[in-house]
Amino acid sequence: ETGVTQSPTHLIKTRGQQVTLRCSSQSGHNTVSWYQQALGQGPQFIFQYYREEENGRGNFPPRFSGLQFPNYSSELNVNALELDDSALYLCASSLAGDSAGNTIYFGEGSWLTVV
Amino acid sequence: AQSVTQLDSHVSVSEGTPVLLRCNYSSSYSPSLFWYVQHPNKGLQLLLKYTSAATLVKGINGFEAEFKKSETSFHLTKPSAHMSDAAEYFCVVSPTGGATNKLIFGTGTLLAVQP
Repeated sequence: ETGVTQSPTHLIKTRGQQVTLRCSSQSGHNTVSWYQQALGQGPQFIFQYYREEENGRGNFPPRFSGLQFPNYSSELNVNALELDDSALYLCASSLAGDSAGNTIYFGEGSWLTVV
Repeated sequence: AQSVTQLDSHVSVSEGTPVLLRCNYSSSYSPSLFWYVQHPNKGLQLLLKYTSAATLVKGINGFEAEFKKSETSFHLTKPSAHMSDAAEYFCVVSPTGGATNKLIFGTGTLLAVQP
């Protein structure tokens, strides 16, 4: 158990729709990041939030957006879904600072299928 | 730009024999390096990390990895495989001292353990 919980675990959406995925961070962790893991691939960094502000972003279009709340829980929103958005979406929480000093804990992910 | 290359997409060993999962990294400065494991339908779990201290890093479940700067390698080893080691393994790099906890994953190595 990592203390990071994600919901829903599985969902199916239609192309063009919007989706919201949720993450509850490990207690005391103020930094949350989101990753996309396509089938057969390694996870790819989408973005990171620290104290409710986005402070790092990977190579993903603006239709991928997020929120972090005062209790450090987080949402990932994807608009105008495309078939290629089908993937496992992973949330990770940590304390602020670089990864050398902090352990990053992952949730079990949300499986999104776009049809 | 930093990256990792996992040299084998699939590795199969017999239970009780040694495990070697190979990883080469590319970085213009001293990186932080990690190995993560992902069991089916489970989240990512940190096995071990290298952060410019001892070059031989010991992790959980009997795994260890050696940082070799001259070879730009960070191979994962275990003296004796167990059936429960069957999983996907990811070699990961992260910029040291970066403002984010961004992790850059390799494409993964699927380890099969035969009885």
